Amino acid sequence: AQSVAQPEDQVNVAEGNPLTVKCTYSVSGNPYLFWYVQYPNRGLQFLLKYITGDNLVKGSYGFEAEFNKSQTSFHLKKPSALVSDSALYFCAVRDDTGGFKTIFGAGTRLFVKA
Amino acid sequence: EPEVTQTPSHQVTQMGQEVILRCVPISNHLYFYWYRQILGQKVEFLVSFYNNEISEKSEIFDDQFSVERPDGSNFTLKIRSTKLEDSAMYFCASSAPGQAGIGYTFGSGTRLTVV
Repeated sequence: AQSVAQPEDQVNVAEGNPLTVKCTYSVSGNPYLFWYVQYPNRGLQFLLKYITGDNLVKGSYGFEAEFNKSQTSFHLKKPSALVSDSALYFCAVRDDTGGFKTIFGAGTRLFVKA
Repeated sequence: EPEVTQTPSHQVTQMGQEVILRCVPISNHLYFYWYRQILGQKVEFLVSFYNNEISEKSEIFDDQFSVERPDGSNFTLKIRSTKLEDSAMYFCASSAPGQAGIGYTFGSGTRLTVV
């Protein structure tokens, strides 16, 4: 069965500092991995995805994520955080064995302090 | 940029009533989904729909729920006999050809409140 873990409920970082939001996953086949961001009272906005290829994936708003197969991780990173990055971040996974069901993590709230 | 449109943005209904949540996917997309998020919690898959039939559904999507694409444009989620625990944010999403399950565009959601 597919599963996603986001071990931190909240991440606090100062503006200008690098940020990392952690995600680990479990799937039967090869993973398709995603990060989404949700601002208050808004829908889910796509940030980036890993399907195949280069383990370092670059996405929207300066975010990137690194796929690590041995550690089954897909941590979200940004070199320099902005106050406007404060939001709820969801990691999601799907496997390649068929079906469309994507499993979301519980979410990590990022708080960037000025 | 094309958007997935959901209406209404907020729906309040009495327990036991039926509600229909509406979505207009992106016009050339072929795969459609409903997800829900109970207040601030994780986003849960409900159902996927392709070629006018359900392709996959979760254990949450029981006989209380149904989906329909009545006119080739709208994609609806019907919830019969609503319960208090159905209160959640419901998100519609769609995927383009070749992007099933790997490229979603989500709508901004309908907040359903059952009282």
